[in-house]
Amino acid sequence: DIQMTQSPSSVSASVGDRVTITCRASQGISSWLAWYQQKPGKAPELLIYDASSLQSGVPSRFSGSGSGTDFTLTISSLQPEDFATYYCQHGDSFPITFGQGTRLEIK
Amino acid sequence: EAQLVESGGGLVHPGGSLRLSCAASGFTFSSFWMHWVRQAPGKGLVWVSRINSDGSGTSYADSVKGRFTISRDNAKNTLYLQMNSLRAEDTAVYYCTRDKNGPHYYMDVWGKGTTVTVSS
Repeated sequence: DIQMTQSPSSVSASVGDRVTITCRASQGISSWLAWYQQKPGKAPELLIYDASSLQSGVPSRFSGSGSGTDFTLTISSLQPEDFATYYCQHGDSFPITFGQGTRLEIK
Repeated sequence: EAQLVESGGGLVHPGGSLRLSCAASGFTFSSFWMHWVRQAPGKGLVWVSRINSDGSGTSYADSVKGRFTISRDNAKNTLYLQMNSLRAEDTAVYYCTRDKNGPHYYMDVWGKGTTVTVSS
């Protein structure tokens, strides 16, 4: 199985900050990676797929990059509604696996 | 607008069974692969199972293989998860999700989830 490891596990930031979250796959997955946002008590929402493609309706301050084993999610200017937990997920094969999550908190 | 609504969760004793349902609307259900994903209290997301669009192909996480069965009724626009031999570690919110239907596996529509609690 492909293991997904996110870092950091949590990060504190302020409104307006630029934040980067990383995700590493245990083996190469080309660009087959997604990022999700989950707010407390809610279902996750797809932000990014194929490592860098923005899902319809997602603000352009979210961007993704990377290929192979190393990937990043960047939020260019944090907004109050962005404080949430973020998960990466590989889309390469079954079983699908998620990273452990990165909690983005208000500083 | 695409929508998924799960039902069937509840409290069950260890070793018991439960069947989850997911009613789909707002899209052509029979054209999409579907997944179940679960989240234990305070924990991360775990993929459980997937089924292809006509129900002829399925995959399972090792942790549920042989105990859970995914199925679908395209005439009723409904996805199912039959869960047998339930264990305490199966306690979680179970989400029904739609596959984005590209060549790779992403989930672009999620239900609100249904809670399964396995406890004596």
